[in-house]
Amino acid sequence: GAVVSQHPSRVICKSGTSVKIECRSLDFQATTMFWYRQFPKQSLMLMATSNEGSKATYEQGVEKDKFLINHASLTLSTLTVTSAHPEDSSFYICSARGGLAGVKETQYFGPGTRLLVL
Amino acid sequence: DAKTTQPNSMESNEEEPVHLPCNHSTISGTDYIHWYRQLPSQGPEYVIHGLTSNVNNRMASLAIAEDRKSSTLILHRATLRDAAVYYCILRATGANSKLTFGKGITLSVRP
Repeated sequence: GAVVSQHPSRVICKSGTSVKIECRSLDFQATTMFWYRQFPKQSLMLMATSNEGSKATYEQGVEKDKFLINHASLTLSTLTVTSAHPEDSSFYICSARGGLAGVKETQYFGPGTRLLVL
Repeated sequence: DAKTTQPNSMESNEEEPVHLPCNHSTISGTDYIHWYRQLPSQGPEYVIHGLTSNVNNRMASLAIAEDRKSSTLILHRATLRDAAVYYCILRATGANSKLTFGKGITLSVRP
């Protein structure tokens, strides 16, 4: 089946620093990647959508200068949380959708990255 | 996006079938019905999806009402590992379509 990986699985950083999270589609080409955020006891909230080689589309209320998304290839997207603050502490989950036959309509999710900002 | 309505929670017994309902009365003709589940501290896992006909795979079955205004996810024999939050989500076809998560239904499985 289609596999999406994320790295790191968890990260602790100091307030004011930047953190980069990588998302890779391991066995298919992801034409579209998505970034979600999930706070404790809440559902997933879509942050942004990105297509390979083009700028990400951010959901309303998500600061594009704070959450930098790069989708440089069909298998890799990165999310950089710039100048992180404690309120950015959350579970960040990426997702990918591709054009591979049989998975075109299916979106696969990574295992998530737990970010704790001190 | 068309919305879905699910009960907050459901309990089942191990090795018994489980029927998880979902209402989507405002579904449009191009909306697929997707089900995902999420275990604690993990990303969502794809379960099944369908458009009009009932669907079966190794994980579950999806029964879709004739008018498509409701659907039911069927786990044929619940195991303890099936305890999770199950999300019923509508997504239209098209490159720009998105999965928007609601609260889902929390399934508990009793041994």
